[in-house]
Amino acid sequence: RKEVEQDPGPFNVPEGATVAFNCTYSNSASQSFFWYRQDCRKEPKLLMSVYSSGNEDGRFTAQLNRASQYISLLIRDSKLSDSATYLCVVKIYNFNKFYFGSGTKLNVKP
Amino acid sequence: EPEVTQTPSHQVTQMGQEVILRCVPISNHLYFYWYRQILGQKVEFLVSFYNNEISEKSEIFDDQFSVERPDGSNFTLKIRSTKLEDSAMYFCASSEALQREGYEQYFGPGTRLTVT
Repeated sequence: RKEVEQDPGPFNVPEGATVAFNCTYSNSASQSFFWYRQDCRKEPKLLMSVYSSGNEDGRFTAQLNRASQYISLLIRDSKLSDSATYLCVVKIYNFNKFYFGSGTKLNVKP
Repeated sequence: EPEVTQTPSHQVTQMGQEVILRCVPISNHLYFYWYRQILGQKVEFLVSFYNNEISEKSEIFDDQFSVERPDGSNFTLKIRSTKLEDSAMYFCASSEALQREGYEQYFGPGTRLTVT
């Protein structure tokens, strides 16, 4: 079973739309959670950490559901520049090792 | 804004040759990582490094791979005898000590390794 699973998409949405991605993880000892974005052939860039209480950064909201072992990312008022692949990343407690999902591709259309 | 740098940006080598990929992590960071991403596939963890020793490694990181922090700034990944399947983008990342609830990693721009 994969450590981290994501819907590969693509999600094709118009500008201004709200879009949500989910990511599930298999290891209940997972400690830390992150969303990164990756543009084509570029490095992953940290979008936000996901805190237990949920957190918001401008148009982006991340939630963690430990009982169901998933995290989510909500993007409001999508911009063309949001087009990218969104990567879910999980760190296991007491191990300095990170697991990446395969990513969810978002295309925001004019 | 401080950033992770990597050199070279692209390395072409012949099968069986040794390569060294170089990284300069962010200066006050304590944890260092190497990842690889084969074209069209996901980012895969290779190794983490803290306090001058490997803290974790994946099954990919076999005896052909080694890491070193030869001085106070560089962090290197060596592949002793490259294979065709080592062709990938290699990313270096670094993070500070524990922040709030997690270790936030910052990635370098990557080195594209092509093995012919």
